[in-house]
Amino acid sequence: DGGITQSPKYLFRKEGQNVTLSCEQNLNHDAMYWYRQDPGQGLRLIYYSQIVNDFQKGDIAEGYSVSREKKESFPLTVTSAQKNPTAFYLCASSGRSSGANVLTFGAGSRLTVL
Amino acid sequence: GNSVTQMEGPVTLSEEAFLTINCTYTATGYPSLFWYVQYPGEGLQLLLKATKADDKGSNKGFEATYRKETTSFHLEKGSVQVSDSAVYFCALYSGAGSYQLTFGKGTKLSVIP
Repeated sequence: DGGITQSPKYLFRKEGQNVTLSCEQNLNHDAMYWYRQDPGQGLRLIYYSQIVNDFQKGDIAEGYSVSREKKESFPLTVTSAQKNPTAFYLCASSGRSSGANVLTFGAGSRLTVL
Repeated sequence: GNSVTQMEGPVTLSEEAFLTINCTYTATGYPSLFWYVQYPGEGLQLLLKATKADDKGSNKGFEATYRKETTSFHLEKGSVQVSDSAVYFCALYSGAGSYQLTFGKGTKLSVIP
């Protein structure tokens, strides 16, 4: 079955370390997104990519970086510059098969800074 | 800018009770409206959507009607089950070249037997 795979599901990081969250999709979707979810705050967009080798900042891009070298993959790096990185991170994608405005989400990665 | 406001939770209901979760929006143009559901420890899943005024989206016994005059998209279900316990998010897509969905803050629903 097609879908989005995020890994790892749980990740612990010491302060000052960079970590990379993986997101892979086999839906042949063109667009991919990263959201951050905090309790009571809903979802906030970090970065999105409409096509390979191109991406745009969302509402809270500071302290994060992404790459889109392949259509299937959109990894997110949480850098040491992100002041409060403990959160639940969700990757999503959209494409012609689902409708450009309908998102398919992965199961999420929970990052905890020790 | 675009915004979505939904009722704050948590909402606790007994099994077979009637559910309403209110959602209102502010947007330019004619947005598409969505309800997503998030079960514990999982990502979000599309529950239903409506793309124009007076459209009714429905799925799994849930319904929501796109009301342009009141800028609302309230979620309803006639008889909730324990398995409906989840967080529900209202969202809009305004188009106009934007690839972003705007989400509400979510409403946590707990259904008790």
